[in-house]
Amino acid sequence: GQSLEQPSEVTAVEGAIVQINCTYQTSGFYGLSWYQQHDGGAPTFLSYNALDGLEETGRFSSFLSRSDSYGYLLLQELQMKDSASYFCAVRSNAGKSTFGDGTTLTVKP
Amino acid sequence: DAGVIQSPRHEVTEMGQEVTLRCKPISGHNSLFWYRQTMMRGLELLIYFNNNVPIDDSGMPEDRFSAKMPNASFSTLKIQPSEPRDSAVYFCASSPQDRAPSYEQYFGPGTRLTVT
Repeated sequence: GQSLEQPSEVTAVEGAIVQINCTYQTSGFYGLSWYQQHDGGAPTFLSYNALDGLEETGRFSSFLSRSDSYGYLLLQELQMKDSASYFCAVRSNAGKSTFGDGTTLTVKP
Repeated sequence: DAGVIQSPRHEVTEMGQEVTLRCKPISGHNSLFWYRQTMMRGLELLIYFNNNVPIDDSGMPEDRFSAKMPNASFSTLKIQPSEPRDSAVYFCASSPQDRAPSYEQYFGPGTRLTVT
């Protein structure tokens, strides 16, 4: 089976940098995804890592270490609109992804 | 593209009634996923289809739940009979499984189900 761990809550101030960690256990591994979900909304895709290293997309970056079964999402120049829940998801085969419980990020002025 | 379409957006029903949730995936996507989200259990995968065929239904909670995908542009999730513990937001998502980026899932707006 699959299991993922990520912090339940993170708080940061506007303009700061925040890192959300995700550790996972899985019987098969294709890649690690990150999704953002605002209150009352649907999850939206942010990034995907299949290989070790850092992927950068604008203010957001995602890192993966397959040997450590670990990844993180890095959010820079935080804005109030970044307040949301962030989910890591392990893709364990070609079709299926298992989501973590989510991290609620609160950005304060 | 219109994105993933789900209906209804809200459903309130009484315990014991049948509930049918509907989903239209993005045109050209050949994988479809049904998820359930609650505060207690988070985002759970119920079932997913590839090319209209159910591949993994291990997340379907019990026999009261059933899902179908009669064609590439339509899927239903049925609960019969419904129970209060089925109250949740149900998301449908689709993915272009056979072409890049096959890992990205596009979620619909969800159906908020309340069973009283």
